[in-house]
Amino acid sequence: DVKVTQSSRYLVKRTGEKVFLECVQDMDHENMFWYRQDPGLGLRLIYFSYDVKMKEKGDIPEGYSVSREKKERFSLILESASTNQTSMYLCASNKAGSTNEKLFFGSGTQLSVL
Amino acid sequence: GDSVTQMEGPVTLSEEAFLTINCTYTATGYPSLFWYVQYPGEGLQLLLKATKADDKGSNKGFEATYRKETTSFHLEKGSVQVSDSAVYFCALRPRHAGTSYGKLTFGQGTILTVHP
Repeated sequence: DVKVTQSSRYLVKRTGEKVFLECVQDMDHENMFWYRQDPGLGLRLIYFSYDVKMKEKGDIPEGYSVSREKKERFSLILESASTNQTSMYLCASNKAGSTNEKLFFGSGTQLSVL
Repeated sequence: GDSVTQMEGPVTLSEEAFLTINCTYTATGYPSLFWYVQYPGEGLQLLLKATKADDKGSNKGFEATYRKETTSFHLEKGSVQVSDSAVYFCALRPRHAGTSYGKLTFGQGTILTVHP
């Protein structure tokens, strides 16, 4: 069964801390994405990557960075966490090419910044 | 820019009731349209999709028809079950997505609760 695995289900951090959210997929997908999910706002794209070491900004990249050193792993980094980054973070992946538009999602990481 | 608007929620229904969740979109050209579902404690999963005007996507008793003239993609089910309780997201992928075919724009999500 195909899988996108996020390292933590719940995470509590303090303001100003550096936070790493990890995501691993076992499907050999080229594309990987980080979304945040907030009530009433739906999902908003933070960053995505279409190849190792490649990244592009999404709609709300401010305050975040990403790292993709290996094809299967995509990390989201909060350089200095703030309370307005309290949210559910969802990682997703899919294969490159127009014939496969389906996104596979992880179960999410609920991050609370105090 | 591209956007997706879903009906306000939450929606509460009794088992076997008819379901409609409205979705309208704004996009350049003819995007692909999707419905994703998120069950409690899980990530999103694709429910159905349509890639061109008048296409009907269907899965698990749910249906949605791509209406270009009204820029809509409403989700319907004739008889809901308790197990359909979830959050439903409408989404679009623009034709001009470039290198990435996963850059979806999502609606706000609609919480559906079905009571026995």
